[in-house]
Amino acid sequence: GAGVSQSPSNKVTEKGKDVELRCDPISGHTALYWYRQSLGQGLEFLIYFQGNSAPDKSGLPSDRFSAERTGGSVSTLTIQRTQQEDSAVYLCASRTTSGLKYTGELFFGEGSRLTVL
Amino acid sequence: KNEVEQSPQNLTAQEGEFITINCSYSVGISALHWLQQHPGGGIVSLFMLSSGKKKHGRLIATINIQEKHSSLHITASHPRDSAVYICAVRPDGGATNKLIFGTGTLLAVQP
Repeated sequence: GAGVSQSPSNKVTEKGKDVELRCDPISGHTALYWYRQSLGQGLEFLIYFQGNSAPDKSGLPSDRFSAERTGGSVSTLTIQRTQQEDSAVYLCASRTTSGLKYTGELFFGEGSRLTVL
Repeated sequence: KNEVEQSPQNLTAQEGEFITINCSYSVGISALHWLQQHPGGGIVSLFMLSSGKKKHGRLIATINIQEKHSSLHITASHPRDSAVYICAVRPDGGATNKLIFGTGTLLAVQP
């Protein structure tokens, strides 16, 4: 499709397991963001990619969280040894950063709802 | 104190009413976003502003950079406008590109 695609849409896992969340941004969008929204909370920044590099990963809550982006496109957010407090909706967003189509507008995926039992 | 404050936190309106949601921020910014989040969780970007005013259909967004304040207006509100409206700012300067989010305004428009 033409939008930001995230998978899985829902993930239930047991405490201590590793999970991978995937984001497929809009084609040509060089900037990619991961956010987290815990129940009843606002959106929390996790990490920002420009191309394949991550100039800002200040929002990652612990070293159990990591993310990578390959080919300037798909990004994977990995949470190791999941804890119950990791339960949240993980949202990915992308945008262009230059060029004729630049508007600065962010396009969000539908999110991946993670539940850690 | 949050760097981005929204008011009101909750708003109930009757169909057809004119609605205003306010956003105040305390940092220098390069841009401000208004986002809409529906109950299913999907988020849609409504506006990105760095100055002045923008209009899209029944939605109007304004920003006053000097006063560090933005408003989102909905004219002739409709039940389908019911959603959480989120203000987010992109801080000025520095290498970071992250947004700082307000906690959102939950709008319910009753028929």
